[in-house]
Amino acid sequence: EVQLVESGGGLVRPGGSLRLSCAVAGFTFSHHSMTWVRQAPGKGLEWVSSISVTGDGYIFYANSVKGRFTVSRDDAENSLFLQMDSLRAEDTAMYYCGRMEHSSTWYGGYWGQGTLVTVSP
Amino acid sequence: SYVLTQPPSVSVAPGKTASITCGGNNIGTKAVHWYQLKPGQGPVLVISSNRDRPSGIPERISGSNSGSTATLTISRVEAGDEADYFCQVWESGTDQPWVFGGGTKLTVL
Repeated sequence: EVQLVESGGGLVRPGGSLRLSCAVAGFTFSHHSMTWVRQAPGKGLEWVSSISVTGDGYIFYANSVKGRFTVSRDDAENSLFLQMDSLRAEDTAMYYCGRMEHSSTWYGGYWGQGTLVTVSP
Repeated sequence: SYVLTQPPSVSVAPGKTASITCGGNNIGTKAVHWYQLKPGQGPVLVISSNRDRPSGIPERISGSNSGSTATLTISRVEAGDEADYFCQVWESGTDQPWVFGGGTKLTVL
């Protein structure tokens, strides 16, 4: 069974940092591109960042987080990470990690339950 | 950047059919994917590539895409279908490839 479990969320002051983790099981992590999306309170889904399989070297960031967030992966640990620096109130959201699938185009085939990030004074 | 437009809400009685639209410029030429999001749960892929149903998704849920509108159709609606639904496309050749619609809240009356 494919499983993705996010952790690392919490309450942080504006300007602070958090590191989110996504531990996966049930599939060969190193074979899959991965992604982060978020949902702010009362808002829709917003893509945050994507990372290709190691070796392909593709990393993308949404303009809203570029220069502040860093995505990475540890294939040996079957884990995906999102380092979030210079956090702002508008980064408050539930963050979900997802396994990317490809069939003519890319989409998210499996997702975790999310971890909540709250940025507040 | 490419824009996907969804109605904010759709309401339907149990047992009836719900249609959730996703509009975009020439969206019929793109592959559209649909996600269901319920409170306290992560997104669930319900339709990929316009009309493909992942394993475990009931046949009551179907998708279509033509012209300027993609549509998610849920037949014989049940209370458990109440959720937010989001369409998504992949914009290749850009550095902002993931595009989501604003989401539609499906209410079962």
